[in-house]
Amino acid sequence: AQSVSQHNHHVILSEAASLELGCNYSYGGTVNLFWYVQYPGQHLQLLLKYFSGDPLVKGIKGFEAEFIKSKFSFNLRKPSVQWSDTAEYFCAVIPFSGGYQKVTFGTGTKLQVIP
Amino acid sequence: DGGITQSPKYLFRKEGQNVTLSCEQNLNHDAMYWYRQDPGQGLRLIYYSQIVNDFQKGDIAEGYSVSREKKESFPLTVTSAQKNPTAFYLCASSLEGSRYGYTFGSGTRLTVV
Repeated sequence: AQSVSQHNHHVILSEAASLELGCNYSYGGTVNLFWYVQYPGQHLQLLLKYFSGDPLVKGIKGFEAEFIKSKFSFNLRKPSVQWSDTAEYFCAVIPFSGGYQKVTFGTGTKLQVIP
Repeated sequence: DGGITQSPKYLFRKEGQNVTLSCEQNLNHDAMYWYRQDPGQGLRLIYYSQIVNDFQKGDIAEGYSVSREKKESFPLTVTSAQKNPTAFYLCASSLEGSRYGYTFGSGTRLTVV
């Protein structure tokens, strides 16, 4: 079974700082990868996803993530964070194979951006 | 607008009582899911359903039950057998399978008093 690790549980940054949130997964085959964001009091929203092709994917609100297959990583980045980026971020992975496959979520990283 | 509606947003229950959380979607998605979210534990799958009248247990199904009588609806019952029911419950749906990502509802926060 696959697993997802998000090593940073709580990150505090000042506005305009650069962000990188780590996500590592364990699975031997092809996977689809996702980052979801949960703003305070709101539902989870899809931030970006990777299925195939260019390993650098761009999402909403200036976020991007890079899939490095050799490192089993899918780190989330943003060059300059804003106070409105304060939220909890979840990485998720699903094997790309036939039949039903389960999405596995990481434990989440809480980002706090200080004005 | 298409989406997922969960109700109620907040729910209080006395110990020993069963309670049902509602989840309705108008996205015409085949699959629906229930997750439980606890601080520091991420999202854990309770039950999922790929088609009407069929559902499967997830990782933490004990103390929960579901039904899927209509494509649009996937209610979750938290029974008195659930030892630690206070949590935030999220419903999600997806097109066939889940490999293309989920759409989530806004959640129900259940508190047992």
